Amino acid sequence: EVQLLESGGGFVQPGGSLRLSCAASGFTFSSYAMLWVRQAPGKGLEWVSFVTSNGGSTYYSDSVKGRFTISRDNSKNTLFLQMNSLRAEDTAVYYCARLWGASDYWGQGTLVTVSS
Amino acid sequence: QPVLTQSSSASASLGSSVKLTCALSSGHSSYTIAWHQQQPGKAPRYLMKVERSGSYNKGSGVPDRFSGSSSGADRYLTISNLQSEDEADYYCETWDTNIRVFGTGTKVTVL
Repeated sequence: EVQLLESGGGFVQPGGSLRLSCAASGFTFSSYAMLWVRQAPGKGLEWVSFVTSNGGSTYYSDSVKGRFTISRDNSKNTLFLQMNSLRAEDTAVYYCARLWGASDYWGQGTLVTVSS
Repeated sequence: QPVLTQSSSASASLGSSVKLTCALSSGHSSYTIAWHQQQPGKAPRYLMKVERSGSYNKGSGVPDRFSGSSSGADRYLTISNLQSEDEADYYCETWDTNIRVFGTGTKVTVL
């Protein structure tokens, strides 16, 4: 069974940093690109960043480019999102998802709250 | 880059059918899209991919009541025999080499 389990969310002040993790199981992690998607309270889905299966290529939405860094450790079946210079508008539930063309499996999400 | 347009809401009676539309922007009518369901308070769930041809490929465990189709730049999700648990937000998604795109979502209400 495919499982994705996010962790690392929490409360942080503007300008602060957080590192999210997504632990994957039930599939060959190193064979799939992976994606981070976020959802602000009461809003729709917004893609944040994705990484190719070997970690060699990374892509970011304009809203996080230069502040967030996606990475992965295929030996530990884990996806990461390093978030720096956080802003109030980054407040959201962050989901990781497996990519096979579409986002075909989703984690349960982790809440990030940026507030003073 | 592609843009996906969805109606904000749809409603139908219990046991009836509802057809949701995801419209691809001009110049992107050939793109494959995916449909996702998000029940209240839950994570999104992948339902299916719908190709330009109208063929669709459902995710694991998705009931037969859910089907996909296509016409021109429009991609559809039809839910037949609507159940109370189908009350949810439905998002479409597409992608290109270096971007992902989500529609704004359609809220389905079961009357």
